[in-house]
Amino acid sequence: GAVVSQHPSRVICKSGTSVKIECRSLDFQATTMFWYRQFPKKSLMLMATSNEGSKATYEQGVEKDKFLINHASLTLSTLTVTSAHPEDSSFYICSASPPGQGRNTIYFGEGSWLTVV
Amino acid sequence: LAKTTQPISMDSYEGQEVNITCSHNNIATNDYITWYQQFPSQGPRFIIQGYKTKVTNEVASLFIPADRKSSTLSLPRVSLSDTAVYYCLVVVGGNQGGKLIFGQGTELSVKP
Repeated sequence: GAVVSQHPSRVICKSGTSVKIECRSLDFQATTMFWYRQFPKKSLMLMATSNEGSKATYEQGVEKDKFLINHASLTLSTLTVTSAHPEDSSFYICSASPPGQGRNTIYFGEGSWLTVV
Repeated sequence: LAKTTQPISMDSYEGQEVNITCSHNNIATNDYITWYQQFPSQGPRFIIQGYKTKVTNEVASLFIPADRKSSTLSLPRVSLSDTAVYYCLVVVGGNQGGKLIFGQGTELSVKP
């Protein structure tokens, strides 16, 4: 079946540095991918929609200059947290849908834990 | 946007049937209802999806009344490994244009 994979699964970075998280669709091409963040005991919050070959669409309240999204190929989207601060520590999850199945069929990555110290 | 509402938590015992209901009063005509399961520190995993009436697969059933303003996920004979958070997802606006809205999730605890 369709698989979405994230890397790294866990990352620790120092405050003020940037960190990149990758999201790959392993057996299908995805023109659109989605990025979420999740705090402990909370639901997933959609951050942005990553569009292959064009700019990402950010949800209200999400800083586009802080959370840089690049979708350079049909199988890879990256989320870069720039100038990270401890409050950016969270679980980041991506998702994607196989072509033609739209958002009614969504596969999620394993998630990436970011800890900013 | 269709808002979803679920119970925050539920307790059950092994072998029991568990029913979790989600309210989605503003669901649109083209929207589907999808349920996901999430274990700690993992991405959500697809359980079942439906549009109306009843859908059944190897792990669960989904009941959707005619007005589609709610849906009920039914887990038959739960085991300890079913302890997880269950999310109701309504895809708004059809396949190509909608936003993804998660309910707050129901934390199911299955006890021996």
